[in-house]
Amino acid sequence: GAVVSQHPSRVICKSGTSVKIECRSLDFQATTMFWYRQFPKQSLMLMATSNEGSKATYEQGVEKDKFLINHASLTLSTLTVTSAHPEDSSFYICSANPGTDYGYTFGSGTRLTVV
Amino acid sequence: TQLLEQSPQFLSIQEGENLTVYCNSSSVFSSLQWYRQEPGEGPVLLVTVVTGGEVKKLKRLTFQFGDARKDSSLHITAAQPGDTGLYLCAGGRRAGNMLTFGGGTRLMVKP
Repeated sequence: GAVVSQHPSRVICKSGTSVKIECRSLDFQATTMFWYRQFPKQSLMLMATSNEGSKATYEQGVEKDKFLINHASLTLSTLTVTSAHPEDSSFYICSANPGTDYGYTFGSGTRLTVV
Repeated sequence: TQLLEQSPQFLSIQEGENLTVYCNSSSVFSSLQWYRQEPGEGPVLLVTVVTGGEVKKLKRLTFQFGDARKDSSLHITAAQPGDTGLYLCAGGRRAGNMLTFGGGTRLMVKP
C-alpha cells in the first residue's frame, strides 16, 4: 500500500534553533501534501497545504515565516520550524492522498520538544 | 468552531461491550473517513464512505454515512482491549482536497 515516510520521529532542540521535518511519499507521487499539528489528547489541526513547485497555502493563524514549507519534488515535502520556542513543542504529522478512494495516508509523526 | 462535531469525546468501557461514536456536521461532505490513531503514531485509515446511506463493515466495526452526507457513525461490537485508541472522523469535499477533522473520540477498553 501507499506509504508516507516522516523523519525524524522525535527531536529535541534548544530555543532559537531551527528544525527540519521531512515527509516522503515512497511509492506514489504527491503533488499536494498536508501538514498537521496535534496537541496532547486533541485532534489534528491543519497547518498548511504543501504544493509541489509552488507556494504553500497556510491556514489562518499559522505564521508562514515561522513554519517554512518546501515541496521541491513530487515525493518530498519539508516543514522547517524556525527559531523554535517551547510553545512550538507538539506532534507534527504530514499526509498525502495516493489517489485511491479518497483515502489519505499519514506519516508516523514527529514529536518536537523545544527546551 | 468545529465543522465536524464528534461524540463522545471520551469513552471507557469493559471488554465485550458495544459502543457507537457519532460524527455530525451542518455541512455536506463528498466523503467521510474514519481513522484510528495510537499514541506517538500517525492516524491509520479505517474506512472511507462516499455515498449517502452507505454502510460498510470491517470485522466488528460498522460504519454508516448519513443519507444527507452530513453525519456518520462508527459502531463497534464486542469491543476488545486492542480497540483502544483515538478515533477520528474526517470530512472531505473533493478527492485530493484537504480534510476537516472531528475532535476525536478517545476509547479505552478495559479487559
